[in-house]
Amino acid sequence: ELKVEQNPLFLSMQEGKNYTIYCNYSTTSDRLYWYRQDPGKSLESLFVLLSNGAVKQEGRLMASLDTKARLSTLHITAAVHDLSATYFCAVAPRRNTDKLIFGTGTRLQVFP
Amino acid sequence: NAGVTQTPKFRVLKTGQSMTLLCAQDMNHEYMYWYRQDPGMGLRLIHYSVGEGTTAKGEVPDGYNVSRLKKQNFLLGLESAAPSQTSVYFCASSYGGSSYEQYFGPGTRLTVT
Repeated sequence: ELKVEQNPLFLSMQEGKNYTIYCNYSTTSDRLYWYRQDPGKSLESLFVLLSNGAVKQEGRLMASLDTKARLSTLHITAAVHDLSATYFCAVAPRRNTDKLIFGTGTRLQVFP
Repeated sequence: NAGVTQTPKFRVLKTGQSMTLLCAQDMNHEYMYWYRQDPGMGLRLIHYSVGEGTTAKGEVPDGYNVSRLKKQNFLLGLESAAPSQTSVYFCASSYGGSSYEQYFGPGTRLTVT
């Protein structure tokens, strides 16, 4: 069974600190997506990682992909309150290119 | 360019009632998806469509039916609603399967009493 696991599931961190969210998956894949969801809102695309070793950065967020290890990371640098949201990774399985498999999400709370 | 829209935004049903959720996209996307989101369970795929006139089952299809009569619309039906179907439903579309990112609608919050 294909699994996409994120950890931690919940993260409470102080402003100014750094932290990393991990996304592990159990199938071969060359493509991974990160989404952000604010409370009560829809999902917004953050990053598209298209190949092994891909790294994308936007502001205080940096995402990377290691297809050999079946691992993606979302690194937060010097967190600010505005980053408080739930972050989802989504994997494109090589065996089935019709759909994405979403992780359970990491709820991030940044406090002063 | 409205992107992906969903109708209605909120709905309360009694057990056994039926309803249809409408998803519309104006991006000329081939693929459309229906997900449900429950606390602590992430997004689960209900049904999806790879083009006009096609539908396929996702991870949790039981109790739901779908139709894609027009490329821009994807309908999700509940024939006999159950409390277990209380959830937030999201529609998404993409240009062509998992090689392209999915764009999400604003969601429909459904409560079945």
